[in-house]
Amino acid sequence: DAKTTQPPSMDCAEGRAANLPCNHSTISGNEYVYWYRQIHSQGPQYIIHGLKNNETNEMASLIITEDRKSSTLILPHATLRDTAVYYCIVRPATDSNYQLIWGAGTKLIIKP
Amino acid sequence: SAVISQKPSRDICQRGTSLTIQCQVDSQVTMMFWYRQQPGQSLTLIATANQGSEATYESGFVIDKFPISRPNLTFSTLTVSNMSPEDSSIYLCSVEGPVSGPYEQYFGPGTRLTVT
Repeated sequence: DAKTTQPPSMDCAEGRAANLPCNHSTISGNEYVYWYRQIHSQGPQYIIHGLKNNETNEMASLIITEDRKSSTLILPHATLRDTAVYYCIVRPATDSNYQLIWGAGTKLIIKP
Repeated sequence: SAVISQKPSRDICQRGTSLTIQCQVDSQVTMMFWYRQQPGQSLTLIATANQGSEATYESGFVIDKFPISRPNLTFSTLTVSNMSPEDSSIYLCSVEGPVSGPYEQYFGPGTRLTVT
């Protein structure tokens, strides 16, 4: 079973910030939080990952709570092309043979 | 990041036949994986393709049904053998890096297989 829980779907208006929550209450101290997305008919795409501190890259920001039991992926100015299924995954930092466990993800629909 | 290509991108096959899917990466990678994604579902790992040794299969997947080759650090194949309509899925190749971690997994575009 996936170690994360996410809402099954969300809507967001184009141009607004999309905030996608993820609960990972059983996360261990050495586990990172990873986010991927899958646009329809494409392979999943890596977005961002983090351990404790908030992270930002050209695609998104990742906010991790102080207790690390939940996180939020922020797409600051959502566009129609951001419509996709977003997956939140936790995995150990140093285990290269760790199987990613994919939950159902959140289907994000960006509306004009 | 790694650039991954898969061939074929899609195929329609008759039951009882076999299809081999190719995965090519533009750089040498240690870890290569094969996933299946059934319609409307999330991803399920089939196996880890190990260079120079047999693949490591997940529960519910066997070598006779899904033989895998990994002749070098940039290429792998997955064969779907003796196909039935239940094998209709998207098959995805992925790689992982950098070697030093923390790890990011990159995916190919997928192969959409329909078995009639």
